[in-house]
Amino acid sequence: EAGVTQSPTHLIKTRGQQVTLRCSPISGHTSVYWYQQALGLGLQFLLWYDEGEERNRGNFPPRFSGRQFPNYSSELNVNALELEDSALYLCASSLQRLAGAGNIQYFGAGTRLSVL
Amino acid sequence: DAKTTQPPSMDCAEGRAANLPCNHSTISGNEYVYWYRQIHSQGPQYIIHGLKNNETNEMASLIITEDRKSSTLILPHATLRDTAVYYCIVGGGSNYKLTFGKGTLLTVNP
Repeated sequence: EAGVTQSPTHLIKTRGQQVTLRCSPISGHTSVYWYQQALGLGLQFLLWYDEGEERNRGNFPPRFSGRQFPNYSSELNVNALELEDSALYLCASSLQRLAGAGNIQYFGAGTRLSVL
Repeated sequence: DAKTTQPPSMDCAEGRAANLPCNHSTISGNEYVYWYRQIHSQGPQYIIHGLKNNETNEMASLIITEDRKSSTLILPHATLRDTAVYYCIVGGGSNYKLTFGKGTLLTVNP
């Protein structure tokens, strides 16, 4: 069974540009999560999508946005890139279950974004 | 989410058991304990999770104290490939996000 796949693996952009990152969840998973891991920092929660809807977002500016498609794959868009957006962007997926059963998130390998 | 406390680093000899502690004294009744690890620059890897009972899978064992205020992840026979940052996370059954702390850097030495 294929795991969570992300593309591209590496990306170099310049300040002010826009970028789109892509994520395909594990087959059967309906929830997709996006995290940012800047160098030397921990993983920060960005966005959560489930069944095509944005369910929650972390403390990030509106220029970070995304969507989830009917096949549950997802895109993360970052507009007006800034130097501090350089980071590893991780996507995770899970199978939403009833409360009480745990919610295991499985991560992809990430997209390394460098903003120059 | 309840906060967790882990030692910043630990060493373990190859072939020996690695016991990684985690304190989560503010855990609430419906919150799970999750363990993940991250090998340098890769995505975090799920290891194990539990609510109240001890759990074991092919990767590790999770021991949760009776009062649920602390837990220990056990890697029974550590190998060099187990060198990674290990994260202990506490969250609800349908928690939408995982709040990662700084974790424990486990270094397995030959």
